[in-house]
Amino acid sequence: AQSVTQLGSHVSVSEGALVLLRCNYSSSVPPYLFWYVQYPNQGLQLLLKYTTGATLVKGINGFEAEFKKSETSFHLTKPSAHMSDAAEYFCAVSDNNAGNMLTFGGGTRLMVKP
Amino acid sequence: GAGVSQSPSNKVTEKGKDVELRCDPISGHTALYWYRQSLGQGLEFLIYFQGNSAPDKSGLPSDRFSAERTGGSVSTLTIQRTQQEDSAVYLCASSSYQGAAYEQYFGPGTRLTVT
Repeated sequence: AQSVTQLGSHVSVSEGALVLLRCNYSSSVPPYLFWYVQYPNQGLQLLLKYTTGATLVKGINGFEAEFKKSETSFHLTKPSAHMSDAAEYFCAVSDNNAGNMLTFGGGTRLMVKP
Repeated sequence: GAGVSQSPSNKVTEKGKDVELRCDPISGHTALYWYRQSLGQGLEFLIYFQGNSAPDKSGLPSDRFSAERTGGSVSTLTIQRTQQEDSAVYLCASSSYQGAAYEQYFGPGTRLTVT
């Protein structure tokens, strides 16, 4: 069984500050890892994904994440927060051998202060 | 191109009534997923369709929930005898093989409120 833990249900940063959203996973097989963003009253939008290859992946809107197998982590970062980054962020893992359904973490609400 | 669409966007129903939620996936996508997003349970998988294979129903919370996918395209999620705990946002996603992983595209969801 897979699981995802997102440390911190709420994170607040100042505009221009570093954004760090934490994600740890457990999986019995090599995982595929995803970060999704959800703006109010909208569906989920894919930010980035890790499948194989390079462990540092870059996504949209200046976000990136690094897959660290030894730490079972896939933390999301952005060097400089923008007001428009305020949203809820979900880390997810899929098992390519089981239909690719996603197991999500509990989500982290990012607030950006001016 | 058109994304995943869902209807209705909002549904209010009385406890005990049946409801149907519709999902139109991206054209050509062979896989379709239903998820539920609720305050108490977060985002959870419900059911998965892949091509003409039998669906994976392992996430359905009770036998009051069912889903079908007609012609490999549109899907309907049906909840019978709705209960207040069914109140949630129901999200549909579709995907097509891309590279080494299926990337799922989500619709805007249907917000179900059971009174």
